[in-house]
Amino acid sequence: AQSVAQPEDQVNVAEGNPLTVKCTYSVSGNPYLFWYVQYPNRGLQFLLKYITGDNLVKGSYGFEAEFNKSQTSFHLKKPSALVSDSALYFCAVRGTSYNNDMRFGAGTRLTVKP
Amino acid sequence: SAVISQKPSRDICQRGTSLTIQCQVDSQVTMMFWYRQQPGQSLTLIATANQGSEATYESGFVIDKFPISRPNLTFSTLTVSNMSPEDSSIYLCSASPRGHGGYTFGSGTRLTVV
Repeated sequence: AQSVAQPEDQVNVAEGNPLTVKCTYSVSGNPYLFWYVQYPNRGLQFLLKYITGDNLVKGSYGFEAEFNKSQTSFHLKKPSALVSDSALYFCAVRGTSYNNDMRFGAGTRLTVKP
Repeated sequence: SAVISQKPSRDICQRGTSLTIQCQVDSQVTMMFWYRQQPGQSLTLIATANQGSEATYESGFVIDKFPISRPNLTFSTLTVSNMSPEDSSIYLCSASPRGHGGYTFGSGTRLTVV
């Protein structure tokens, strides 16, 4: 079964600095990979996805992620962090079959300090 | 992408009672999924609901506790039965519209059992 690991519970960065939130995955075959963000008392918001094609995926709010098949990673990045980026970030994976469910990582809490 | 309307958005329930959560998708989808997110934790898949057949439950979740209905391709319900305080969580439904690859999530139901 597919799974993801987010090795960091918490990531702290200063505003204006680059940020990286790490994710590694395990899946049979080719993966569909996703990043979601959750703000306090709000639902999940889709950030970006990798299905196929270019390994560098650009998403909402200036975020991007790089798919690395050899390292089975899909790290989320942003060149310049904003205080408003502070939230809980989830990496998720599913297989390519239509009935494959989506599995989520444990989440990483990103705090951007002014 | 699809829009999922989920209700109620929140409820406070007495232990021993049951609550039914509804999700309506604005397009036809083959599979719908129900997740639970306990406070400060990641999303855990409860079950997968396919129209016209019994839901498939993940380990640790049983039909008697979480009965699911899927009467057509745009609607599903999850009932949390005989509730206890340990059932206090956010419950989310999701679906994968054809060709989208990713999932769309409902806004969640914040359940508190007292």
